Amino acid sequence: KQEVTQIPAALSVPEGENLVLNCSFTDSAIYNLQWFRQDPGKGLTSLLLIQSSQREQTSGRLNASLDKSSGRSTLYIAASQPGDSATYLCAALANQAGTALIFGKGTTLSVSS
Amino acid sequence: NAGVTQTPKFQVLKTGQSMTLQCAQDMNHEYMSWYRQDPGMGLRLIHYSVGAGITDQGEVPNGYNVSRSTTEDFPLRLLSAAPSQTSVYFCASSYGGTGNNEQFFGPGTRLTVL
Repeated sequence: KQEVTQIPAALSVPEGENLVLNCSFTDSAIYNLQWFRQDPGKGLTSLLLIQSSQREQTSGRLNASLDKSSGRSTLYIAASQPGDSATYLCAALANQAGTALIFGKGTTLSVSS
Repeated sequence: NAGVTQTPKFQVLKTGQSMTLQCAQDMNHEYMSWYRQDPGMGLRLIHYSVGAGITDQGEVPNGYNVSRSTTEDFPLRLLSAAPSQTSVYFCASSYGGTGNNEQFFGPGTRLTVL
């Protein structure tokens, strides 16, 4: 059974710092991996999707990488800002039908000014 | 486009009451899913649909029913609410498949069962 783990559970950094959020999965047979942002009391906002044939995706200050063989994905945030404070979730697409995302429990990021 | 919409935003039920959580999308997505989010448990799949008239169970389907009569709508029904169903419910949709299958989520419904 696929399991997704995110470490650390919480992270506090000063504004301007570059940081990396980690996501690991137990079964390398994933079809894609998606990173989301969730603000308190809100829904999930899709940040980046990495297909299984890709190694990384970039959007603005965000860069996500995927290494299926080691069962790892990372989300790199450059020059962090207080507005980046949120919970970041990674999710692995585990079935060929494309219907079931397996989520990690998230990393709650706090960026202080 | 409105994306994925959910109603209501908040709901309080008494044990044994029934209700329907509504979900709609205007992106012509074939795939729609329901998840629940609980503290310490993360998001878990309840039911999903790969198209109108086709539904299947996810990881935690007990106590919930779904149907999909149109591409746009995917309601989730609680037939007899229990306190264990207190949670935040999210609906998601996507084009499906395993390629560029980006999933989009609604804003959620916060349900409390007393």
